[in-house]
Amino acid sequence: DAKTTQPPSMDCAEGRAANLPCNHSTISGNEYVYWYRQIHSQGPQYIIHGLKNNETNEMASLIITEDRKSSTLILPHATLRDTAVYYCIVRVAYNAGNMLTFGGGTRLMVKP
Amino acid sequence: GAVVSQHPSRVICKSGTSVKIECRSLDFQATTMFWYRQFPKQSLMLMATSNEGSKATYEQGVEKDKFLINHASLTLSTLTVTSAHPEDSSFYICSALVGGTDTQYFGPGTRLTVL
Repeated sequence: DAKTTQPPSMDCAEGRAANLPCNHSTISGNEYVYWYRQIHSQGPQYIIHGLKNNETNEMASLIITEDRKSSTLILPHATLRDTAVYYCIVRVAYNAGNMLTFGGGTRLMVKP
Repeated sequence: GAVVSQHPSRVICKSGTSVKIECRSLDFQATTMFWYRQFPKQSLMLMATSNEGSKATYEQGVEKDKFLINHASLTLSTLTVTSAHPEDSSFYICSALVGGTDTQYFGPGTRLTVL
């Protein structure tokens, strides 16, 4: 699976959009971009995933660049409850092991 | 939908005892479940993949005789930490794969403290 690079931490003002970047310059054509988040002392929560088109659901939007070498997770109106570590994971869908490899993630702090 | 529970949420035990952690998919059947471990200020590390009705597949460095995994039904997988020692103290998290999809849903985690 391709390696990802995320900033270790970010701050965001409550009510503003949080834009979390992820670099995956070695991504291959059959690898998807997945985003999970982990609130302190809880299990990770699935947010969204995509292949090459931009995706949106009730939680967030995922913007993938045309060359697929990077992506951005957007939380449109961040709240204090969005404070968490956000993990960007790139992997082949439906691969033999279906494994998720977690990196360091980005610690997002939403401030009042 | 896609809710995964774990029990217990927190356990404290003495060194040398065994501890069983349950992972249940509440509203779906999961042929595949995963067990992760997370030490303080670190990321999740996959320990093993559990498939219903077959032996678990362990990651390199994880002792299969120490961390016993049973996946006897489509909604339940158990992890037993045998002869626990203080270095086994960690946050244990399971996840379940929703059938027909490629998305894992995680349980809330179990914090194990071995004295």
